[in-house]
Amino acid sequence: QSVLTQPPSVSGAPGQRVTISCTGSSSNIGAGYDVHWYQQLPGTAPKLLIYGNSNRPSGVPDRFSGSKSGTSASLAITGLQAEDEADYYCQSYDSSLSRVFGGGTKLTVL
Amino acid sequence: QITLKESGPTLVKPTQTLTLTCTFSGFSLSTSGVGVGWIRQPPGKALEWLALIYWNDDKRYSPSLKSRLTITKDTSKNQVVLTMTNMDPVDTATYYCARLVGPDHDNWFDPWGQGTLVTVSS
Repeated sequence: QSVLTQPPSVSGAPGQRVTISCTGSSSNIGAGYDVHWYQQLPGTAPKLLIYGNSNRPSGVPDRFSGSKSGTSASLAITGLQAEDEADYYCQSYDSSLSRVFGGGTKLTVL
Repeated sequence: QITLKESGPTLVKPTQTLTLTCTFSGFSLSTSGVGVGWIRQPPGKALEWLALIYWNDDKRYSPSLKSRLTITKDTSKNQVVLTMTNMDPVDTATYYCARLVGPDHDNWFDPWGQGTLVTVSS
């Protein structure tokens, strides 16, 4: 059971917008710690997608955006493409557990 | 270009000690603020953070695994070593190392190594 809760799966048609939530608590996201997002394409290592709640590393398309409010964070993907089909993980800091990851969300492009 | 690569045994027996090495290039662990972390992923499951070490030899461990883990660094060789004692089949996973970036508590992992699959079986 992950400290950060994500939906196991989300789906959308090409061109649509999807969001992935990451729900924490007062000891992690709610305490003000940043949330980061990773994309893991099938059979590959995770890759940083969003850092510091809403910042995109160089090379990440602006179709990907992140936000944070209260004890939750969200990753939004607009203009969905087939190549976006992957697992997505959020990560933050917990005052008791240190670095924590969400349980992951599998994105299916219909 | 920053790269990291994990190396170590692919198969270990239950109760044995696992030793994994992360060899990196493109950055130095003697630079202030730099760190390296280890994360694992059992087949079909989520990521789990294990340990990290900073440039100043500050070390942090996952509370649930702290008694079994040791992380060390060799700055001259650009390597970070993770040992995990008393291995069990539930420790079967792909083990990743990654550079730690950003301020303490709010830092993130970027980039990641390709990972190495470790199977625990007799």
